[in-house]
Amino acid sequence: DAGVTQSPTHLIKTRGQQVTLRCSPISGHKSVSWYQQVLGQGPQFIFQYYEKEERGRGNFPDRFSARQFPNYSSELNVNALLLGDSALYLCASSPRGGSGSYEQYFGPGTRLTVT
Amino acid sequence: QKEVEQNSGPLSVPEGAIASLNCTYSDRVSQSFFWYRQYSGKSPELIMSIYSNGDKEDGRFTAQLNKASQYVSLLIRDSQPSDSATYLCAVKAATGFQKLVFGTGTRLLVSP
Repeated sequence: DAGVTQSPTHLIKTRGQQVTLRCSPISGHKSVSWYQQVLGQGPQFIFQYYEKEERGRGNFPDRFSARQFPNYSSELNVNALLLGDSALYLCASSPRGGSGSYEQYFGPGTRLTVT
Repeated sequence: QKEVEQNSGPLSVPEGAIASLNCTYSDRVSQSFFWYRQYSGKSPELIMSIYSNGDKEDGRFTAQLNKASQYVSLLIRDSQPSDSATYLCAVKAATGFQKLVFGTGTRLLVSP
């Protein structure tokens, strides 16, 4: 079975630009979460989407937004890029959302560099 | 106080030894705990989940949970050079959604 897929693998953008990152969850999984990982740190939670609705948001500015499509794939958008947005962006897939405990499986990530 | 704390290491062990990785968390109501392995330049890979007090074994890996002490550990038996990686401890936040809170990770080095 295919795992979580993300595109693109790498991306270089200039300050002030906008970027869209894409994620397809494991087949049958309905929840997608986005995380940001900067070098030397653990991943930081950005958003969770379940059944096409935003279910949770982390401590990130409004420049960050996301959505989930009927096929459960997801996009993360970042506007007005700053140098500090340079990071590995990870998408995690889980079977369900809500308050239950479910294992999350990460995709390969998108490495974003802002110059 | 950080929500999830890990010693950054590096933890150096010889091949064949037991590696012991530790993690403490601050939110007493946390119920779900995970260990991820991350090789340099790669994404985190789930290796263990644990939800109840006690030990959970999977192959060479054993996760231990002590909720009273707010402590989670991962033991790797018969460590191999291929186990050299950063190990991330993650705790599911006590919210109504799937937020994981990660530690900064412990770097493990297994020498041949």
